[in-house]
Amino acid sequence: EDKVVQSPLSLVVHEGDTVTLNCSYEVTNFRSLLWYKQEKKAPTFLFMLTSSGIEKKSGRLSSILDKKELFSILNITATQTGDSAIYLCAGDSNTGNQFYFGTGTSLTVIP
Amino acid sequence: DGGITQSPKYLFRKEGQNVTLSCEQNLNHDAMYWYRQDPGQGLRLIYYSQIVNDFQKGDIAEGYSVSREKKESFPLTVTSAQKNPTAFYLCATARDSLYEQYFGPGTRLTVT
Repeated sequence: EDKVVQSPLSLVVHEGDTVTLNCSYEVTNFRSLLWYKQEKKAPTFLFMLTSSGIEKKSGRLSSILDKKELFSILNITATQTGDSAIYLCAGDSNTGNQFYFGTGTSLTVIP
Repeated sequence: DGGITQSPKYLFRKEGQNVTLSCEQNLNHDAMYWYRQDPGQGLRLIYYSQIVNDFQKGDIAEGYSVSREKKESFPLTVTSAQKNPTAFYLCATARDSLYEQYFGPGTRLTVT
């Protein structure tokens, strides 16, 4: 059965800390791994990763994929209260055109 | 103003009634998706459509129906057969199935 598992389920850090969010996946005919940030409503797209070992970076956020070990991490450096959100990871299969979402990691950044 | 719109934002219905959730996009995206989000669970795929006049069931299609008569529109009907319809419903679009998805603001449906 295809699945995506995220850890930890929730995390509370202080502003300025660095956090690492984990995503492991088992997706048949895996194509790509996506990260989303969900604040009050709809998720917003962060990264799409298709190749192993190539880091994608956007400001203080970065992510990398390991297709051998079937996981991805999302790093956030120098966290700010605005980073507080649920971070969702999704695995994409090239059969069935289906995205499999994890349950998310709830990040709370306190001043 | 390009984007994805879902309406209404909040919807209340009595049990036994069908209800249709709207999803409209002006991004010229081919692929559209409906997800359901429940507390403590990841997004679960209800239906998706890769092209006009075609759609496929996702993991939890029972009790739902969709249509894709126009590229811009992908309405979801929650029928009375859906046993637990109260949830947050998200519509998403993608340029096609190879690309990342972008989400609408969501509709929170409460059935009593």
